[in-house]
Amino acid sequence: QKEVEQDPGPLSVPEGAIVSLNCTYSNSAFQYFMWYRQYSRKGPELLMYTYSSGNKEDGRFTAQVDKSSKYISLFIRDSQPSDSATYLCARGGNFNKFYFGSGTKLNVKP
Amino acid sequence: NAGVTQTPKFRVLKTGQSMTLLCAQDMNHEYMYWYRQDPGMGLRLIHYSVGEGTTAKGEVPDGYNVSRLKKQNFLLGLESAAPSQTSVYFCASGTGGYTFGSGTRLTVV
Repeated sequence: QKEVEQDPGPLSVPEGAIVSLNCTYSNSAFQYFMWYRQYSRKGPELLMYTYSSGNKEDGRFTAQVDKSSKYISLFIRDSQPSDSATYLCARGGNFNKFYFGSGTKLNVKP
Repeated sequence: NAGVTQTPKFRVLKTGQSMTLLCAQDMNHEYMYWYRQDPGMGLRLIHYSVGEGTTAKGEVPDGYNVSRLKKQNFLLGLESAAPSQTSVYFCASGTGGYTFGSGTRLTVV
């Protein structure tokens, strides 16, 4: 079983929609998570970094962790065509190693 | 203010050839990482370093070697390239959230 599972998509939404991206993880020992955005042929860039359960908000982005179901989510409000990218979730491990999902490709249509 | 710089950006190797990928960071980070990214597989950790002079194996270390002689540099070597090593290689550094480089696209024919 992979450490982090993520639906690869692609997910296609109209501009202005609320987007929900989800991951599940298997190891509860480490409770910090990251979301990255990766544009085509570019390196991943950090979007959000969260500890433990609850929500963290940054502008149009909200990261949510549900420890009981081992579920992490990223919500994007008022989605824009510039949000079209692949979104990677990751779970933290020892020595600051992170285990990544395979990424969900998002397409926001104008 | 470069962040993480990877060289080269592209490379084509023949099977059996060797090469070294260079990662340089200017953020004074102790921790550095090498990942490979393949379609449907996500990012997988090859090797990592928790400080100058240290290295450790990640998930997929076979066929690769690394060195961290200087704090700012982390080198990834392919001893005898195989087609299975065709991938995009990313270097990252930091604690907490990583800063990634822009990647090296390697094709082994």
